[in-house]
Amino acid sequence: EAQVTQNPRYLITVTGKKLTVTCSQNMNHEYMSWYRQDPGLGLRQIYYSMNVEVTDKGDVPEGYKVSRKEKRNFPLILESPSPNQTSLYFCASSLVGQGGGQPQHFGDGTRLSIL
Amino acid sequence: QKEVEQDPGPLSVPEGAIVSLNCTYSNSAFQYFMWYRQYSRKGPELLMYTYSSGNKEDGRFTAQVDKSSKYISLFIRDSQPSDSATYLCAMSANTGNQFYFGTGTSLTVIP
Repeated sequence: EAQVTQNPRYLITVTGKKLTVTCSQNMNHEYMSWYRQDPGLGLRQIYYSMNVEVTDKGDVPEGYKVSRKEKRNFPLILESPSPNQTSLYFCASSLVGQGGGQPQHFGDGTRLSIL
Repeated sequence: QKEVEQDPGPLSVPEGAIVSLNCTYSNSAFQYFMWYRQYSRKGPELLMYTYSSGNKEDGRFTAQVDKSSKYISLFIRDSQPSDSATYLCAMSANTGNQFYFGTGTSLTVIP
């Protein structure tokens, strides 16, 4: 089954304690991306990656890191989490089209609470 | 000004009604337009995908893009209770590696 898998699905942690949210896709997609979803603000792109070892900032990259060492994996790292990073996070992947803008497949989300 | 504006609703309609959902945008470079459906506690799933202007129909769903007005719409015919969800519009430019989403419209279809 084609899917994007995120782990953990839920996490409660404290300010300053480094955490990693993993994302894996089994569709051989080149493009992967991380979003956060907040009430009234919708989905906002954090980082994206066009392929292995290629990453770029989205709209809200501050406080986050990513890496793309393998095509299937795209972990999101919070080096020193703060309460304003409490949110619902989604990982997504897609093929890379000639003009871009290919529709994405989303994981089921990771709900992070930072106290 | 936000790149994409979407009325959050909530929208409540009786079963069988025609539903109209809309987004406006400000960036004339957007060429790719998508509608996603999101159920509670799940990730968004793609409903419709269109390139540039025009209409696209898939079953009970029709997507319309009017680039001259910077306005996109999703119509749902013969709405069903299973259509109750949040609907998100999304857009990308022609060199599109970044995506911009609306805030989502919450829809409830009452049996």
